[in-house]
Amino acid sequence: SAVISQKPSRDICQRGTSLTIQCQVDSQVTMMFWYRQQPGQSLTLIATANQGSEATYESGFVIDKFPISRPNLTFSTLTVSNMSPEDSSIYLCSVEAGPQETQYFGPGTRLLVL
Amino acid sequence: KNQVEQSPQSLIILEGKNCTLQCNYTVSPFSNLRWYKQDTGRGPVSLTIMTFSENTKSNGRYTATLDADTKQSSLHITASQLSDSASYICVVRLSSASKIIFGSGTRLSIRP
Repeated sequence: SAVISQKPSRDICQRGTSLTIQCQVDSQVTMMFWYRQQPGQSLTLIATANQGSEATYESGFVIDKFPISRPNLTFSTLTVSNMSPEDSSIYLCSVEAGPQETQYFGPGTRLLVL
Repeated sequence: KNQVEQSPQSLIILEGKNCTLQCNYTVSPFSNLRWYKQDTGRGPVSLTIMTFSENTKSNGRYTATLDADTKQSSLHITASQLSDSASYICVVRLSSASKIIFGSGTRLSIRP
């Protein structure tokens, strides 16, 4: 299994500012995933972060808006840049672990942009 | 188009009652199907996983079924408890490119 922590757990931000979300895993993993979950919706994959290379972004998400760092095998950050109210959402970090490639999720960061 | 659809969107039942949640998918090529439970304010937690050859899997009071021919899955909850109140998400993995497709979830509320 994998235990994931995220910081901050929640934040209220002003439009135009940026927020960096941290994700820490208790074991070394190759890939880390960042998801967004808008109110009442399911999860949408933003990007996949591999250690030592640039993140791979899904359609509709760009690096300038959601820069990601992956400095080592247990840590990643996601920055939400130049925020607008439409960015209000829950952001979740995830990893795959074990022989069945189970996905483990962090508790999420609840972001409100005013 | 690869899609995962869940029904109902929301459900309210009394404590102690049973319920069944549905998941239909049009994902191909199929690798496996998982059911996740997501408590409010938390990340999803895996309940069950089934591959193509499995048609039932239990985890305590949770029993998942899979019909690979009709591409349908169900999650049956027996003797519901207040702590079962959560969103239940069906997730299907493609065998190519390891891509996963999330359903929109069923929001279950258990009333005392």
